Amino acid sequence: DAKTTQPPSMDCAEGRAANLPCNHSTISGNEYVYWYRQIHSQGPQYIIHGLKNNETNEMASLIITEDRKSSTLILPHATLRDTAVYYCIVIATGANNLFFGTGTRLTVIP
Amino acid sequence: ETGVTQSPTHLIKTRGQQVTLRCSSQSGHNTVSWYQQALGQGPQFIFQYYREEENGRGNFPPRFSGLQFPNYSSELNVNALELDDSALYLCASSWFGEGRTGELFFGEGSRLTVL
Repeated sequence: DAKTTQPPSMDCAEGRAANLPCNHSTISGNEYVYWYRQIHSQGPQYIIHGLKNNETNEMASLIITEDRKSSTLILPHATLRDTAVYYCIVIATGANNLFFGTGTRLTVIP
Repeated sequence: ETGVTQSPTHLIKTRGQQVTLRCSSQSGHNTVSWYQQALGQGPQFIFQYYREEENGRGNFPPRFSGLQFPNYSSELNVNALELDDSALYLCASSWFGEGRTGELFFGEGSRLTVL
């Protein structure tokens, strides 16, 4: 089921940009890249998604490589509240099953 | 907050018992998905309900069953509880139809402990 590879953990200094990588080398043409995060003891929270173009919203930016085999989630100014597990998920249009994997545990350090 | 509410938030059962977990979806959503999250793991897809019928199922045995009601709320039922069923059960609602984005809105979960 695993379609993505993420580092198990990362640290980031408060106020700096957090860059979370994700490899999805077997991604298909109709599959999107989604990012969710889960703060301790809460349900997962949608962050952003994209197909092939870079995307930005109020929470983050998503950079997808031209070959679509990897992507990076960027939190431009990390705060302590961004400490969470971040999940990179690849899913096709119309599919109903998100495979979360184990994600990257991001710790924002004061 | 997502507008998805789950109950109860915590419960303890013994092996062999049955449990029902409830979920109210966000207003305007017509689809409910259920996930199981064991300690230290990512959530695992159990099943999804759309138009009151099961619309996809993960690798879970038949003793995991569900319902969706006309108001789009949902129940997850687990029979013959086993110790390994101890987990956080997450409900997520979404819109399935034209304009669908695939974004799921999760509740805070129901933490089940089986003794």
